[in-house]
Amino acid sequence: KAGVTQTPRYLIKTRGQQVTLSCSPISGHRSVSWYQQTPGQGLQFLFEYFSETQRNKGNFPGRFSGRQFSNSRSEMNVSTLELGDSALYLCASSLSMTTGELFFGEGSRLTVL
Amino acid sequence: QKEVEQNSGPLSVPEGAIASLNCTYSDRVSQSFFWYRQYSGKSPELIMSIYSNGDKEDGRFTAQLNKASQYVSLLIRDSQPSDSATYLCAVEDGGSQGNLIFGKGTKLSVKP
Repeated sequence: KAGVTQTPRYLIKTRGQQVTLSCSPISGHRSVSWYQQTPGQGLQFLFEYFSETQRNKGNFPGRFSGRQFSNSRSEMNVSTLELGDSALYLCASSLSMTTGELFFGEGSRLTVL
Repeated sequence: QKEVEQNSGPLSVPEGAIASLNCTYSDRVSQSFFWYRQYSGKSPELIMSIYSNGDKEDGRFTAQLNKASQYVSLLIRDSQPSDSATYLCAVEDGGSQGNLIFGKGTKLSVKP
């Protein structure tokens, strides 16, 4: 059974640009969550999608957005990139939105210059 | 601001010893608690979940929960060098279903 797949794995952007990250969940998993991981702040919740609807949102500015498609694949977008957006962005899938038993992808490492 | 607190470590134990990792949380409504392990350069992986007060054992791992004290711990018996990793405590945000609040992790080093 394939795991959670995230693309791209690494990317470098400059301030002001925007970026789109993609996540394909484990087959049969309908919930997708996104987390930002930095050395200083640790893992911070961005948002969760279930059945193409955003169910929960963390405390991030509106520059961070996401969506989920009918096949449960999800994308997140960050607009007007700032240096502080440099981080590892982790996608996690789960069977339902009420479980904390998450399966993480390998992450997308974003560097903003 | 809901918080999950862990000692950052590093916690160093000799091979074969018991490693004890601790976590406290602020949200009294939380009902679900998890331990994730993250090897350097890798993504977190779930190793234990616990929902009721008391102990839950799975192989060499034992999770302990005390909701009255808002305290969760993870014991690793017969520690192995392969257990060297950062251990993340995660607590369900009682105000939003399924959303997890993570601690910053405790780095464990098991010396041969």
